[in-house]
Parts: sequence; structure tokens; C-alpha cells
Amino acid sequence: EAGVAQSPRYKIIEKRQSVAFWCNPISGHATLYWYQQILGQGPKLLIQFQNNGVVDDSQLPKDRFSAERLKGVDSTLKIQPAKLEDSAVYLCASSLEGLGWDTGELFFGEGSRLTVL
Amino acid sequence: QKEVEQNSGPLSVPEGAIASLNCTYSDRGSQSFFWYRQYSGKSPELIMSIYSNGDKEDGRFTAQLNKASQYVSLLIRDSQPSDSATYLCAVGAFLAGSARQLTFGSGTQLTVLP
Repeated sequence: EAGVAQSPRYKIIEKRQSVAFWCNPISGHATLYWYQQILGQGPKLLIQFQNNGVVDDSQLPKDRFSAERLKGVDSTLKIQPAKLEDSAVYLCASSLEGLGWDTGELFFGEGSRLTVL
Repeated sequence: QKEVEQNSGPLSVPEGAIASLNCTYSDRGSQSFFWYRQYSGKSPELIMSIYSNGDKEDGRFTAQLNKASQYVSLLIRDSQPSDSATYLCAVGAFLAGSARQLTFGSGTQLTVLP
């Protein structure tokens, strides 16, 4: 079974430039998450989709970050304009979803490491 | 704002010892609790889940949950150098409908010394 695919793996940009990250979840996984992980910290949820609807985006800096999940499959996270503090690993994860609790397992991609200079 | 607190460490234990990792959470409505392991430069992977008060054992790992104290712990017995990683506590709660959300702690870095 193919895992969560993310690209690019690494990106270096200058502040005020824009960047986009792509994620393709595991086939059949209804829920897709974008997490930001700054070095030395735990993952912080940016946005959560269930199918193609947004479930939670309360921690997404909407003045510069945007995300979409067209057709309920793959997703794109965009940052424009980037700031120095956006340097982090952007993790995409997916999970099965149901009416009850399952294993709670999120399947993470390899991540996209962003460096803003 | 849901919060999950962990001692950042680093925690060092000798090979063969028991490593004890702790986590507290703020949301009393939380219903599921997880431990993820993250090797340096890699993505998190689930190692334990626990849903009810008490202990849950899986091989060398034991998760302990005390909802009254809002406390979760992970014990690693017979620690091995390959256990050296950052351990992330994650707490789950329901959002609207059937959706759930996981909030992660900042992680505890564990080093097992040969």
C-alpha cells in the first residue's frame, strides 16, 4: 500500500516569496491534515479536511497561508508571502474516519522542509 | 486552546533500564491518547494508543492513563539504543460530527546509552 506522498522534500526561499506544498494521502483516507513542525517542537495542526471540507483551520495564519483539497483527494498548502518564522517541516497526514474511534493512527508523509532566508 | 505538556528532556537512560515519559493535558473532554515516536529527520509513527484508565502493555511498552489527574505516561522496559528518539504525546477529542482532532505535545527526547 502506497503511503502519504509529499513534495517537494526541501525548499529554500527568501522572505516575502511564495511556496506551495503538495500532498497525496493514502487511497481511501477521508481525513487529511497539515501540520507545521518547528525544530525542537511538536507538530502543530494548521488545517484539517474531511473529504473536501474544512473541519478545523483555527490555527492557520490565514493572512499568508491557504490550503485546498480539491475533489477530496490531494491537497495543496500555500504560503504567500513567507516569513522567517515559517521555516519548519510541513507534515501532511491522513487517516481513516468513522463514527467511532479507531486506532487514532495518523499516517504521516516524509514532510517538506522549508527554509526561509 | 487545548494543551498537551511534556518534559522536553533530554532524558538519558542506560541500556536495559526503564525509561519513563510523562504527559499532562488540559482538555477534560479528551477521549483518546497516543504515543508517537519520531526519529531524527523522520516523521512520527504511532507506537501506543490508550482509551481507558489503567495500564496497557504492548511488548516492552506500557501506556498508563489517569483521566482524573489528566495524566498519561509511557514506560519503556529493557531500553535499547534503537529506542533513542523523540516521543510525542498526542491527545484526541471529537470535533463536530464524527471528526476527531489530535493535539501533540512538544515531545521528550530520549537517549539510551549503550
